[in-house]
Amino acid sequence: NAGVMQNPRHLVRRRGQEARLRCSPMKGHSHVYWYRQLPEEGLKFMVYLQKENIIDESGMPKERFSAEFPKEGPSILRIQQVVRGDSAAYFCASSPFEQGGYTFGSGTRLTVV
Amino acid sequence: KQEVTQIPAALSVPEGENLVLNCSFTDSAIYNLQWFRQDPGKGLTSLLLIQSSQREQTSGRLNASLDKSSGRSTLYIAASQPGDSATYLCAVREGGATNKLIFGTGTLLAVQP
Repeated sequence: NAGVMQNPRHLVRRRGQEARLRCSPMKGHSHVYWYRQLPEEGLKFMVYLQKENIIDESGMPKERFSAEFPKEGPSILRIQQVVRGDSAAYFCASSPFEQGGYTFGSGTRLTVV
Repeated sequence: KQEVTQIPAALSVPEGENLVLNCSFTDSAIYNLQWFRQDPGKGLTSLLLIQSSQREQTSGRLNASLDKSSGRSTLYIAASQPGDSATYLCAVREGGATNKLIFGTGTLLAVQP
């Protein structure tokens, strides 16, 4: 079992570009979560998805950010028109059922220049 | 609003010492509590998961306790080793419909050889 796979590991974008972060959950896990870790801050919840459904997006910024978890393929976190303040580590986690323990991926480190 | 605090923020000990990391949370209505380890530039590794009905969990040299009524958890590391050097994070999962983890800001542990 390859674990939770995130790619790319590092992503550099210029201000105004789009960033697409991908997450493949562990085999058999249908619950996916995205967290953001800003420099010198703790991890903050962004969004919780199940296949084809957004369950809780209370941590997502209202504009420019979106997430999906299609029936086939990885979960995608999309950030449009990136700004310097979006520079952070973005972590994806998955669990096998609603209240199961989390397994985290290695993260995508986004740098906006 | 749930808040999770970890004390101390940083800790340096000589190799071989036993040590305790503390985690406190403001709302005792949690579903479970999870301890993670984060190495620099890496993802999170789950160490121990304690369900709200449990008092402690053990794995090797690690022991985590949970006192839900007082809003506290401790992570005990026996016979520390330089390889234990990392940031240790505790996270609580709230009960009810929400499935997100609320993280503390972590304890940065350095074990000196």
